[in-house]
Amino acid sequence: GDSVTQMEGPVTLSEEAFLTINCTYTATGYPSLFWYVQYPGEGLQLLLKATKADDKGSNKGFEATYRKETTSFHLEKGSVQVSDSAVYFCALMVLPGTASKLTFGTGTRLQVTL
Amino acid sequence: ETGVTQTPRHLVMGMTNKKSLKCEQHLGHNAMYWYKQSAKKPLELMFVYSLEERVENNSVPSRFSPECPNSSHLFLHLHTLQPEDSALYLCASSHLTGLEEQYFGPGTRLTVL
Repeated sequence: GDSVTQMEGPVTLSEEAFLTINCTYTATGYPSLFWYVQYPGEGLQLLLKATKADDKGSNKGFEATYRKETTSFHLEKGSVQVSDSAVYFCALMVLPGTASKLTFGTGTRLQVTL
Repeated sequence: ETGVTQTPRHLVMGMTNKKSLKCEQHLGHNAMYWYKQSAKKPLELMFVYSLEERVENNSVPSRFSPECPNSSHLFLHLHTLQPEDSALYLCASSHLTGLEEQYFGPGTRLTVL
């Protein structure tokens, strides 16, 4: 079946450090890939997405490139801020039947300190 | 009110209680979802409703009973829960067509004593 594997957290970084959160996937067919972010006390929000191989999703300084050859969708940011502290979820979606079906990873907690 | 709202935000219940979680979306979507979020586990999709019909039920125990009276409202009725059912329950909604983004509510933190 479909699955998403994320690096274990927590990830602790100093402000302005470079961030990478690894994500790899297994899927039948050709999935779309997503990064969601969950701030404390809130639901999940879509951060970025990519729908086909070699697409790059980007938002708020975060980027991820859909790599079909390595089945990966690693999240990167050049300079993190304290406000980026949250849990980040990688997810995939295969072509839906009657409704979209997301498969999530376990989430990676990011803690950014001054 | 905009987006996806959930009530209550926190709920503590005994194993013999009956309670309901409510979700409402103001986005004009026609698909709604219940997820369970437990510590150190991937989000688990519990139920999917499409045009108010249940299209997915991922082997969820019968002590969880969903209801979707219209495309804007989704309920999760709870009865005789177990302590291991304690988790954050998230509601989401989306359009039906294509690979549409799901919009999530803030969740209900459920504790079963």
